Amino acid sequence: GNSVTQMEGPVTLSEEAFLTINCTYTATGYPSLFWYVQYPGEGLQLLLKATKADDKGSNKGFEATYRKETTSFHLEKGSVQVSDSAVYFCALTSSQGGSEKLVFGKGMKLTVNP
Amino acid sequence: KAGVTQTPRYLIKTRGQQVTLSCSPISGHRSVSWYQQTPGQGLQFLFEYFSETQRNKGNFPGRFSGRQFSNSRSEMNVSTLELGDSALYLCASSGSILAGGEETQYFGPGTRLLVL
Repeated sequence: GNSVTQMEGPVTLSEEAFLTINCTYTATGYPSLFWYVQYPGEGLQLLLKATKADDKGSNKGFEATYRKETTSFHLEKGSVQVSDSAVYFCALTSSQGGSEKLVFGKGMKLTVNP
Repeated sequence: KAGVTQTPRYLIKTRGQQVTLSCSPISGHRSVSWYQQTPGQGLQFLFEYFSETQRNKGNFPGRFSGRQFSNSRSEMNVSTLELGDSALYLCASSGSILAGGEETQYFGPGTRLLVL
């Protein structure tokens, strides 16, 4: 079945450091790919998405490119801030009979120190 | 535009009891999905409802059930609670009625259930 593998961390960075969180997937067909972020005590917030190969999703300084040839959707940010401390989840859509469910990676906890 | 709302936010129950959680989707969204989040298993899909019909179901026992009302609000019920049911239950809505629809799922804040 469809699955997502991502770096699990935890990872601790200093403010203004470069961030990469690796995400690879296994899927049949052409899934959409997502990054969600979860701040402490909250639900999931959509960070960015890409719906087809070579699409680049971007938001709040974060970027990820849908790479079909490497089945990857790595998340990057050039300069992290303390406010980026959260858990990051990579996900894809898995379709069945007109219904689409999200399949998530295990999440990666990021802590950014000032 | 109001986001997805879930009630209650926190709940404490004892083993053997049952619980009902509620989710109100974003206005205009017709699909509601439920997910369970635990430290051990991560985020797992429970089920999805669209136009009051269950369209998809994850690998959970029959103790987990749900329904959707004509206004797209959804409830999920867990009967005969077990300690392992302690989790954050997240609801997500999608499927704008606008032309083209919208597959992106938007999540509520979740209901944290503790089973003692």
